[in-house]
Amino acid sequence: DTEVTQTPKHLVMGMTNKKSLKCEQHMGHRAMYWYKQKAKKPPELMFVYSYEKLSINESVPSRFSPECPNSSLLNLHLHALQPEDSALYLCASSQVDMGFSGANVLTFGAGSRLTVL
Amino acid sequence: AQSVAQPEDQVNVAEGNPLTVKCTYSVSGNPYLFWYVQYPNRGLQFLLKYITGDNLVKGSYGFEAEFNKSQTSFHLKKPSALVSDSALYFCAVRGSPAAGNKLTFGGGTRVLVKP
Repeated sequence: DTEVTQTPKHLVMGMTNKKSLKCEQHMGHRAMYWYKQKAKKPPELMFVYSYEKLSINESVPSRFSPECPNSSLLNLHLHALQPEDSALYLCASSQVDMGFSGANVLTFGAGSRLTVL
Repeated sequence: AQSVAQPEDQVNVAEGNPLTVKCTYSVSGNPYLFWYVQYPNRGLQFLLKYITGDNLVKGSYGFEAEFNKSQTSFHLKKPSALVSDSALYFCAVRGSPAAGNKLTFGGGTRVLVKP
């Protein structure tokens, strides 16, 4: 299995709703990432998990709450979002770069397109 | 701080003609350079990377890229473009551990290959 699977593909939510985005991979990757991508823009890093522990939080607002329950799953819990949070949310995974060689390749999922009304 | 510049928002090319997508970078230390492609409503797919060694890197789908240290460039090339190559292309750089080993993307270049 060489894929990263994201669900749901599309999500519409109101500003008072609570919802979650899910990501799953079975490649044995121990680093997992959440990116946010606005239309026609590059992906922006939100969070990085390494060995199921949060290693990077790019000063993301607390209305986004990541969770890594095990080595194959990554969730992004959403609460009290704003319309400007509407975007494509991409999950990615990679080998952990223990040697800090920087060479590891990220495998991306197809994304979850979120619309906040 | 590390950065990547893709000077062209869009590149138009006729099918069968050579395709070049430009990328320049700025990073402390040795750069690790990547090209990813994104098709509509899809995630990013890895094309190729430069870590060390030969300056000409060959990747997926007939793409190649040339690392030029003096010009801090990593341009993506394909000798003969296909209509199916129409997509959004991102150059990315990963710098030193001091920079958090983060992957920084350029702004993207939309490639349109016309029949």
